[in-house]
Amino acid sequence: DAKTTQPNSMESNEEEPVHLPCNHSTISGTDYIHWYRQLPSQGPEYVIHGLTSNVNNRMASLAIAEDRKSSTLILHRATLRDAAVYYCILPTSGTYKYIFGTGTRLKVLA
Amino acid sequence: NAGVTQTPKFQVLKTGQSMTLQCAQDMNHNSMYWYRQDPGMGLRLIYYSASEGTTDKGEVPNGYNVSRLNKREFSLRLESAAPSQTSVYFCASKGSWGEGEAFFGQGTRLTVV
Repeated sequence: DAKTTQPNSMESNEEEPVHLPCNHSTISGTDYIHWYRQLPSQGPEYVIHGLTSNVNNRMASLAIAEDRKSSTLILHRATLRDAAVYYCILPTSGTYKYIFGTGTRLKVLA
Repeated sequence: NAGVTQTPKFQVLKTGQSMTLQCAQDMNHNSMYWYRQDPGMGLRLIYYSASEGTTDKGEVPNGYNVSRLNKREFSLRLESAAPSQTSVYFCASKGSWGEGEAFFGQGTRLTVV
């Protein structure tokens, strides 16, 4: 199973960009990279996903390293509402397991 | 626009009691999942169902059973509740495998005393 490694916590100032890293050195060629976030007292919500190329949507950008062994979720202007736990997930190849790691707790400072 | 619906939202059980957590999705998704989340921790996969008629163990299946009743519904049963099963339980569903995003219910907060 592809494993992910994320820092336990990060801090950012409001209205500044945030770069949340994820290492996945055992990723296989067909593994997608998914990101979710969990706001306090809520279920996780989808943020973005990608395979090889960088991806953008209204919430964030996903930068994927050329060797795909790491990726970075980019919040372009952090707001207080972005304070959450961010999870990087690699759907397990060959199964339908969908395993969350421990995630990164993002604190946004006013 | 219901998405994933879990019932009940809150439950208190005595040690040894049994109960079933219900989950239903209206997005015609093939895959469904049950997770638990202990205070301050990440989500851990209990069981999942890749498609109607199939179920598989996740990371922490002991003490739980599941039933994929039909494509819409996936239930989680605690046969003999223990205080260690006090947690928030989330159900999720997912469409296509590689690309599809997962949708989560609002959770069931279970306390076993």
